[in-house]
Amino acid sequence: DGGITQSPKYLFRKEGQNVTLSCEQNLNHDAMYWYRQDPGQGLRLIYYSQIVNDFQKGDIAEGYSVSREKKESFPLTVTSAQKNPTAFYLCASKVRGADEAFFGQGTRLTVV
Amino acid sequence: AQSVAQPEDQVNVAEGNPLTVKCTYSVSGNPYLFWYVQYPNRGLQFLLKYITGDNLVKGSYGFEAEFNKSQTSFHLKKPSALVSDSALYFCAVRDPESNMLTFGGGTRLMVKP
Repeated sequence: DGGITQSPKYLFRKEGQNVTLSCEQNLNHDAMYWYRQDPGQGLRLIYYSQIVNDFQKGDIAEGYSVSREKKESFPLTVTSAQKNPTAFYLCASKVRGADEAFFGQGTRLTVV
Repeated sequence: AQSVAQPEDQVNVAEGNPLTVKCTYSVSGNPYLFWYVQYPNRGLQFLLKYITGDNLVKGSYGFEAEFNKSQTSFHLKKPSALVSDSALYFCAVRDPESNMLTFGGGTRLMVKP
């Protein structure tokens, strides 16, 4: 798993509540990514960050927010504005100068 | 904008037979291409990559992939499939300047005994 920790593994929330998913890495990686995975739709990029205090929107950023205050942490907040938040969320990171990204084990969010 | 297409939702192969999982890409510059594998309820594991050099790249677990610039393809191959290869496979492309990493929709590989 490359030293990337996503917590919790399963998360349940009531509709209308904001929820924050944790992603921590101890690999000294510069770039970090958040993806959403739905059945039959593959991985879709939500946000990514190349360096601390900087991040860019991916393909489906609406209803999500992120922060990158520390190099090792890239939390994702799923806001009440996200219309269909139930999904499997994956975090990844990559070191500058390397090619492949390493993934966490994912967080399955269920909104009821 | 960059994109990746995996035209097959599922590939079925008998154990011992060769397998191919297809991937085509669209990028503005030179492609950085990757294959990842995902087992149920897990994150993705890196299999192999093409950055430059030989068009045939070898990766983990006996997998290889062939880069074809004229066809903008990067198909994943293995000479002899194992039942344990059954999983979800993702092709990806990365823009080396922005570091944006884009995945295809995934292909489920089913290897039957």
